[in-house]
Amino acid sequence: TQLLEQSPQFLSIQEGENLTVYCNSSSVFSSLQWYRQEPGEGPVLLVTVVTGGEVKKLKRLTFQFGDARKDSSLHITAAQPGDTGLYLCAGVRGTYKYIFGTGTRLKVLA
Amino acid sequence: ETGVTQTPRHLVMGMTNKKSLKCEQHLGHNAMYWYKQSAKKPLELMFVYNFKEQTENNSVPSRFSPECPNSSHLFLHLHTLQPEDSALYLCASSQELSTDTQYFGPGTRLTVL
Repeated sequence: TQLLEQSPQFLSIQEGENLTVYCNSSSVFSSLQWYRQEPGEGPVLLVTVVTGGEVKKLKRLTFQFGDARKDSSLHITAAQPGDTGLYLCAGVRGTYKYIFGTGTRLKVLA
Repeated sequence: ETGVTQTPRHLVMGMTNKKSLKCEQHLGHNAMYWYKQSAKKPLELMFVYNFKEQTENNSVPSRFSPECPNSSHLFLHLHTLQPEDSALYLCASSQELSTDTQYFGPGTRLTVL
């Protein structure tokens, strides 16, 4: 059973475009994390959102946690080739129980 | 070296071979994790160690055998694997066994022939 569905699965855009990636679940999480994974590397944590409705910004990236803490979105403004990678959301239950999403593979073309 | 390192980075093995994956963290963390990342499935937690003690075995087949001799080192011993075990095996560590930030290594790309 997929607990965290990400959409879209693949995304190829031109440099300078905006995009939004979604992470949806029917389950409630105590917090949600977003990671970026580049080829040949492990995932790197970008942000953790904890409160329902919380919005966090990291330069051109904006993360939002849904009011009911079941879903999240990642919006990238003016995408750059350096944003290319696999974006993973991970819902946290309890202490260390991370449930990872299905992933969104982003390619930004110069 | 800093962070979390994993060796080897790539491994090809036959179904009857025995091999081991090694993970070392240089962060002074107390918790370490093994994850499996397959092409068509989400990242899956396999094992969790806290202060060298195993606290989680996420229904992993016995052909995968973890070992944690100290808080800085974690091994995954492999024997009689199946082709469907081919995947990227990622090690991670965190300061405490909680929702502390997990730091991932670069992974070992395993291919089982």
